[in-house]
Amino acid sequence: QQPVQSPQAVILREGEDAVINCSSSKALYSVHWYRQKHGEAPVFLMILLKGGEQKGHEKISASFNEKKQQSSLYLTASQLSYSGTYFCGTVHNAGNMLTFGGGTRLMVKP
Amino acid sequence: GAGVSQSPRYKVAKRGQDVALRCDPISGHVSLFWYQQALGQGPEFLTYFQNEAQLDKSGLPSDRFFAERPEGSVSTLKIQRTQQEDSAVYLCASSLGLTGPRSTEAFFGQGTRLTVV
Repeated sequence: QQPVQSPQAVILREGEDAVINCSSSKALYSVHWYRQKHGEAPVFLMILLKGGEQKGHEKISASFNEKKQQSSLYLTASQLSYSGTYFCGTVHNAGNMLTFGGGTRLMVKP
Repeated sequence: GAGVSQSPRYKVAKRGQDVALRCDPISGHVSLFWYQQALGQGPEFLTYFQNEAQLDKSGLPSDRFFAERPEGSVSTLKIQRTQQEDSAVYLCASSLGLTGPRSTEAFFGQGTRLTVV
């Protein structure tokens, strides 16, 4: 079952913050976050395993609430380089298959 | 190699033609996935290999699609009698270990853009 992402698109000014949400109807084992720029391969950002951990990489962090079967990606003080489409990928408890949401298009303007 | 390599990068096929898309995963990666990505959409799962075993092919859209990984490394996705709706980017990803993407990241190739005319 494909996870649902929201919002579908975000436009920011440089320096602004954004939150991208990912929710699933099935129990999750792990959540992956990727960023894809036009014409390029998706690039791995981070993986969160069940246990409710929060991870961060510079100004990009994420949380995973396994009870709610949701994950959120937090982008703070956005930079122009953050522009792209963000995908969450989910792996369910019973399986080993990585399934992606429909993506959130993020545009950061100067 | 340093990353996942896919070939060709671009393929134009006439409707009805057969095509073969190749994926060279990162050396030692046990798990290999094929995805289909239409313009403006997220990658849609096609099939999954663990070594040479095809564990899940539930995403293959029809029996015209066939994938193999005979020696547990290089994989080929074959599409027979291509149709216009097959036009998309086909992405391959690999992941280390038997648990695959449950707990480790997946690395993507740059994809093959297939256009059926």
